[in-house]
Amino acid sequence: AQKVTQAQTEISVVEKEDVTLDCVYETRDTTYYLFWYKQPPSGELVFLIRRNSFDEQNEISGRYSWNFQKSTSSFNFTITASQVVDSAVYFCALRAHAGNNRKLIWGLGTSLAVNP
Amino acid sequence: KAGVTQTPRYLIKTRGQQVTLSCSPISGHRSVSWYQQTPGQGLQFLFEYFSETQRNKGNFPGRFSGRQFSNSRSEMNVSTLELGDSALYLCASSTSGTGTNTEAFFGQGTRLTVV
Repeated sequence: AQKVTQAQTEISVVEKEDVTLDCVYETRDTTYYLFWYKQPPSGELVFLIRRNSFDEQNEISGRYSWNFQKSTSSFNFTITASQVVDSAVYFCALRAHAGNNRKLIWGLGTSLAVNP
Repeated sequence: KAGVTQTPRYLIKTRGQQVTLSCSPISGHRSVSWYQQTPGQGLQFLFEYFSETQRNKGNFPGRFSGRQFSNSRSEMNVSTLELGDSALYLCASSTSGTGTNTEAFFGQGTRLTVV
């Protein structure tokens, strides 16, 4: 069975702090895809990153960085020098590679509050 | 390039009624998926359509149904509404055919309240 766990329900930080959002996944597939999405109060899920299971390179995009470790089944997301605009719910998701099993399996999300 | 458009944004319905939600995907995207989001259950997959065919289905009762038109626009229908159907319904579109390595782009959702 596939599962995504985001153990942190809520995180509150002060602006300019660094914050890491944890994501642990379970899957029996050897090929799979991991995603992070951001959901601001408006409700729309905004795509942040996709990572293939065969590519363990970490990625940095501006203030955002992602650490993918297959050995620990984790795909953690770090925001450096957080800003108030980063306040949102962040979701980690998993998708199998197998043809018909295309649905996204979601974590329950981490609500991030960045305070001025 | 226009994003995913969902209509209406908000709906209030009474128990027992039925409702139809609409989703227009990004131009050129042929895959449309629907998700239900509730505080208790999080995001749960409803179904996916590709080229007018349902390709995958989640674990929801038969009251939940959908379809996709030749222009890739999709509708989902919920019949005999229950209070527990109150949720944010999100539609996602993607380009993917048989591959799964493409990201899905989401609309702003339809917030359904059943009273």
